[in-house]
Amino acid sequence: RKEVEQDPGPFNVPEGATVAFNCTYSNSASQSFFWYRQDCRKEPKLLMSVYSSGNEDGRFTAQLNRASQYISLLIRDSKLSDSATYLCVVSSGGSYIPTFGRGTSLIVHP
Amino acid sequence: GAGVSQSPRYKVAKRGQDVALRCDPISGHVSLFWYQQALGQGPEFLTYFQNEAQLDKSGLPSDRFFAERPEGSVSTLKIQRTQQEDSAVYLCASSEGAGRNQPQHFGDGTRLSIL
Repeated sequence: RKEVEQDPGPFNVPEGATVAFNCTYSNSASQSFFWYRQDCRKEPKLLMSVYSSGNEDGRFTAQLNRASQYISLLIRDSKLSDSATYLCVVSSGGSYIPTFGRGTSLIVHP
Repeated sequence: GAGVSQSPRYKVAKRGQDVALRCDPISGHVSLFWYQQALGQGPEFLTYFQNEAQLDKSGLPSDRFFAERPEGSVSTLKIQRTQQEDSAVYLCASSEGAGRNQPQHFGDGTRLSIL
C-alpha cells in the first residue's frame, strides 16, 4: 500500500458544481498536511495547509480526519480556472520529508 | 520577489552522458529539496538539504545520482551515465525554515529527455 493515495480521476464537473477529493495516508504519525495545485506542465503551487481544526479559504475548504487517516479538499462553485491536478502532501512526525500523492485531476467544463 | 529558478528548462542528452541540473532557491531559504516527477505521477522525493548539509539522500535512485549545495544556496543535481529511465521532470523546491510544517516553493523544473 502506498503511503499517500489519491484517486487520479479525472473528475469532470460543470461550472458551478461542488466537488470533493479525498487523500488517504498510511502513517498514523503523520503531522503535516498540505494541498498543492499543479497545472499541466507547470510546477506545483501551494493551495492550502490543512489544520486539525479544518480551514477555509474562499471557495476551498480542507479537512483532516485523523481517525480515518484522510484529508479532504472541497471546492465550491467550481470555475473553469480550477481545472488542474490537486496533489496532497503528507509529512510524518519527525521527518522533514514530504510525501506526495499522485494527484487528482479535475476538469471543469462550461 | 524572485522565486525558485531552475536551469536548464529542457535538457536532451544521449544515453551514457552526464548531466547537471541547477537550482537557485529563494534567497535565505534554509531547506532545499529535489524531486523527480514522471508523467501522471506526483513528485518523488530525491534528496534534502538544510543549508549546506545533505540530511537525507534516501530517494536517490542509484549511485549515479549526486547532489550538492556547497555554500548553502545554489544546488546542483548531477546524473552520471544517464539511462532512458532517468527521463523525467526534475523539480527543486525551497522552504524558509527547517521544520516540516513549512510550505514549499517550487521551481519550473528541468525536463530531462534521455535518447
